[in-house]
Amino acid sequence: EVQLVESGGGLVQPGRSLRLSCVVSGFTFDDYAMHWVRQTPEQGLEWVSGISWNSGTTGYADSVKGRFTISRDNAKNSLYLQMTGLRPEDTALYHCVKDHREWDAFHVWGQGTVVTVSP
Amino acid sequence: HSALTQPASVSESRGQSITISCTGSGSDIGAYNFVSWYQLHPGKAPKLLIFAVTKRPSGVSTRFSASRSGNTAFLTISGLQAEDEADYYCSSFTGSDNGFWVFGGGTKLTVL
Repeated sequence: EVQLVESGGGLVQPGRSLRLSCVVSGFTFDDYAMHWVRQTPEQGLEWVSGISWNSGTTGYADSVKGRFTISRDNAKNSLYLQMTGLRPEDTALYHCVKDHREWDAFHVWGQGTVVTVSP
Repeated sequence: HSALTQPASVSESRGQSITISCTGSGSDIGAYNFVSWYQLHPGKAPKLLIFAVTKRPSGVSTRFSASRSGNTAFLTISGLQAEDEADYYCSSFTGSDNGFWVFGGGTKLTVL
């Protein structure tokens, strides 16, 4: 069974940093691109960042470019999102997502980890 | 890049069919075959229903189908069941110079 388990969320003050992690199992991690997608009641779903299977290609939404960094460790079956300069509008449920094949769709989603940015 | 446009809510009776639209532009839905649809139930992880405009992943009911006309994508759910009541989101690739991916605002489906 494919599983993605996120961690690292929490309450943080504006301007501070946070690192999200996602450990996966049930599939060959280094065969797939991976993404972070965030969800809020007000805005719905927003793609945050993606990374190819070998880390050769990364992408970021304009709203987080320059502040967030995605990375992966294939030996540890893990995906990461380093978030700096956090803003209140970054408050959301952050999902770790397995790509369907290679940057074509968001196939399997983790339950998410909540990030709250507030003074 | 602007979000794709979906109706905020739709409703239909059990057993009937319904179609949800998702309108974008020539820079997203009209440009790429990477259009997908997702089902969200409260408290559960989103589920991929459709990828590559019209294709269903293994395990997704054949009651879900999709199509595209120009810059608008459509999700059709036939034989509506109570468990279909959920939020539905469309998404499209927009290119690496255009924010990569965009989602619609979501559509709340109520099954009467």
